Amino acid sequence: DQQVKQNSPSLSVQEGRISILNCDYTNSMFDYFLWYKKYPAEGPTFLISISSIKDKNEDGRFTVFLNKSAKHLSLHIVPSQPGDSAVYFCAASSPSGTYKYIFGTGTRLKVLA
Amino acid sequence: ETGVTQTPRHLVMGMTNKKSLKCEQHLGHNAMYWYKQSAKKPLELMFVYNFKEQTENNSVPSRFSPECPNSSHLFLHLHTLQPEDSALYLCASSQGGSRLDNEQFFGPGTRLTVL
Repeated sequence: DQQVKQNSPSLSVQEGRISILNCDYTNSMFDYFLWYKKYPAEGPTFLISISSIKDKNEDGRFTVFLNKSAKHLSLHIVPSQPGDSAVYFCAASSPSGTYKYIFGTGTRLKVLA
Repeated sequence: ETGVTQTPRHLVMGMTNKKSLKCEQHLGHNAMYWYKQSAKKPLELMFVYNFKEQTENNSVPSRFSPECPNSSHLFLHLHTLQPEDSALYLCASSQGGSRLDNEQFFGPGTRLTVL
């Protein structure tokens, strides 16, 4: 049973527009969430995180929103750039799994020039 | 070398072979991880080492055997693998200690093909 789900395997967005990547989770014990970005032939790189005590965290063009009641988080990229084209993974952890992140299957974002 | 490095980057092996994957981190971290990424599946955590002690074994078959001789090096020894073990194997490291400081840094992975 997948505890972290990314239901959109792919997304295409025009350069300059907003990209919205979604992630749903089922475990209400999760209290820390992260987004990673992965280019081909490279390992995932950390992008942004959010603790469950917040509902929004912003870092430059990247903003993560957390809706605990809906068990949903989203990553907004604005404006989108061609270099943002990559696979984006969301991950979650709980207090009982100190070093254990549960990852989603990823969403492939393509930003069209 | 900087960050997290993995060797080899690609490996093809038969089911009767024995091989090892190597990971090295140059970040001064205390925790290291092995993940498996199969096509269209989430990254699956396999093993966690914290200060050289194994703290997590996520029900991984015994044909995968990890070794962590020190905080900078992590190995995954492979023996009598199955074709379904073909995947991208990713190593990661993190500071260890406080959870909120526990951002994981990944290596580029080893693409393993079992014939």
